[in-house]
Formats: sequence, structure tokens, C-alpha cells
Amino acid sequence: AAGVIQSPRHLIKEKRETATLKCYPIPRHDTVYWYQQGPGQDPQFLISFYEKMQSDKGSIPDRFSAQQFSDYHSELNMSSLELGDSALYFCASSLGASQFYEQYFGPGTRLTVT
Amino acid sequence: AQKITQTQPGMFVQEKEAVTLDCTYDTSDPSYGLFWYKQPSSGEMIFLIYQGSYDQQNATEGRYSLNFQKARKSANLVISASQLGDSAMYFCAMRGGGGKLIFGQGTELSVKP
Repeated sequence: AAGVIQSPRHLIKEKRETATLKCYPIPRHDTVYWYQQGPGQDPQFLISFYEKMQSDKGSIPDRFSAQQFSDYHSELNMSSLELGDSALYFCASSLGASQFYEQYFGPGTRLTVT
Repeated sequence: AQKITQTQPGMFVQEKEAVTLDCTYDTSDPSYGLFWYKQPSSGEMIFLIYQGSYDQQNATEGRYSLNFQKARKSANLVISASQLGDSAMYFCAMRGGGGKLIFGQGTELSVKP
């Protein structure tokens, strides 16, 4: 079965650079979530989209922005990168935003800021 | 506010034995979903099992079962017949209105041969 696809899988950037992470949800899934997981931490919700509209926002820095496109894929844009942005970034998708639907995660993008 | 608590930072279990990973939650919302995810050292987040707040029966998926006690606000994961490949970090999570997941701190499970 098709899963959530994220690219790139690994990314190394220097401070103050920009990064773009991409997410391709499971076919027919219309809802995308982004999470950030720091070393030894649990995943923290950043932002979500439902039917191409932002549906919820968590602890996402102003330096980050995201959008969902007409084909439902999503991109997380990160600017002025800081050392503290080094983390595993997950995209997850589900069929709708209901609390009763499973949410499936991509393999993650491991971002290292040097 | 919603909160998930996992009080066991680390657990050990002998291969082929059963193990219970604890999870308690707090929410004032009557409608919610409870999830368990497995995160191996490779980093991916693998969905294991789900329980809805209105479900009358405990969820089961193969060797995984969820011991749901609504009045106590607990959703413990039971893994039967542990295997070496079960060694990983396990996260309990809750999904309320809006759909985002709120995670607990995780429990690192080590299976001994």
C-alpha cells in the first residue's frame, strides 16, 4: 500500500540558510500535518492543512511557512535556520481531520543545521 | 488542555513474554482518539493501534492490544509474546478536535533474548 513520502530524507544546512521539505500524502488523504521531533523529544505539532487550507497552527516559528498544493502535497519552508532547528521533521496524512481516523507518518526528514 | 502522560521512561522484557506500557490522558472533550506509535532507532513513526473514545471494546491488532479504561483515563498498550524486533521507543498519542496528535514522552522498550 502507498505510504506518505517525504523528501529529502536527510538535509544538511548552515545557519541562516533556507530549507524546503516536501510531503506527498497517501492517495485520497486530504489532510496533512507537520511535526518536529528534537533529539530525545516527542513530536511536536507545527501546522496542518485540510483541503489546501491551513486548519490549525501549533508552535511553528514565524521563520517557517507551509502550504498545501492542488495535488495535496505540502511543503514546509524554513528560513534563517538556527542550530536549534536541527530535528526530525515528520509529515503525516489522514482522511479528514476527525479524531477517529488514523494518522499515518512519513519516514521523516532529518535536518541538521551546522 | 489535552495531555498524555507516559510514566515509564524505559522498560525491559524477556523475549516471548508479555509487556504493558502505561499511558494516561487528560481531556475535557468527550470525543477523542487514542493511538500508539512505535519508533525504532531508524526514526520512522509506525502506527500500531487505535481506540476511539466511544468504542465499547478494547482494540486489538495482532500481538498488540489496547487496555482502555475510560473512567481511569488510561490506554495501556499490551504487547504479547515480545520479539527482539519490538525493541523501540513507543509513543502514546491523543487526537482531539482539529485532528492534531498530542504525544506522551515515550517509553523505550528493550527486549532481552
